[in-house]
Amino acid sequence: GESVGLHLPTLSVQEGDNSIINCAYSNSASDYFIWYKQESGKGPQFIIDIRSNMDKRQGQRVTVLLNKTVKHLSLQIAATQPGDSAVYFCAERSQGAGGTSYGKLTFGQGTILTVHP
Amino acid sequence: GAGVSQSPRYKVAKRGQDVALRCDPISGHVSLFWYQQALGQGPEFLTYFQNEAQLDKSGLPSDRFFAERPEGSVSTLKIQRTQQEDSAVYLCASSTAAYNSPLHFGNGTRLTVT
Repeated sequence: GESVGLHLPTLSVQEGDNSIINCAYSNSASDYFIWYKQESGKGPQFIIDIRSNMDKRQGQRVTVLLNKTVKHLSLQIAATQPGDSAVYFCAERSQGAGGTSYGKLTFGQGTILTVHP
Repeated sequence: GAGVSQSPRYKVAKRGQDVALRCDPISGHVSLFWYQQALGQGPEFLTYFQNEAQLDKSGLPSDRFFAERPEGSVSTLKIQRTQQEDSAVYLCASSTAAYNSPLHFGNGTRLTVT
């Protein structure tokens, strides 16, 4: 079936470094992608999203890149801070059968980001 | 509150008991989703409501799982005759009607079946 997966299950960086978290997706029909951050004991928190008609989108300290040719998504975090330590999930959305859609998301397994002071 | 609220935060049930998990979505959000998250995994879709209509329940693992949203606001996920494999975090999320709008998640209910 269609799935969203991550290349690296864990990532360890030093405070102040830039972090890059990668995600591969297999459903070519996916047209909307979201990155979520999940801290222990909490629900996923929205970070940034991107539509399939875009290649890049920037937020505060975060950038999402979308490469539809190779079905790859990445999240870049600038000047990573200890508070960025969490599990990061990418999620994709695609239209359902018959063109119907309501926003159902399919999540990848997640990458654990650890930031050392 | 401005966010999605779920209760209880923790629930311990003995195998065979019935449980009910509550979700209060963000006010005015048309769409409501339930997800199940096993330890170390990403959330898995269970069911979706648009207002009071349950439009997709394809992710419910068995007929022991039942969800409702009778007035298009608060939703309840009920699990009958709980089994150990039901132990997980149950997440509720809501969003506006727009297709390209992010889901806003609550902090979940951690269910442990002993």
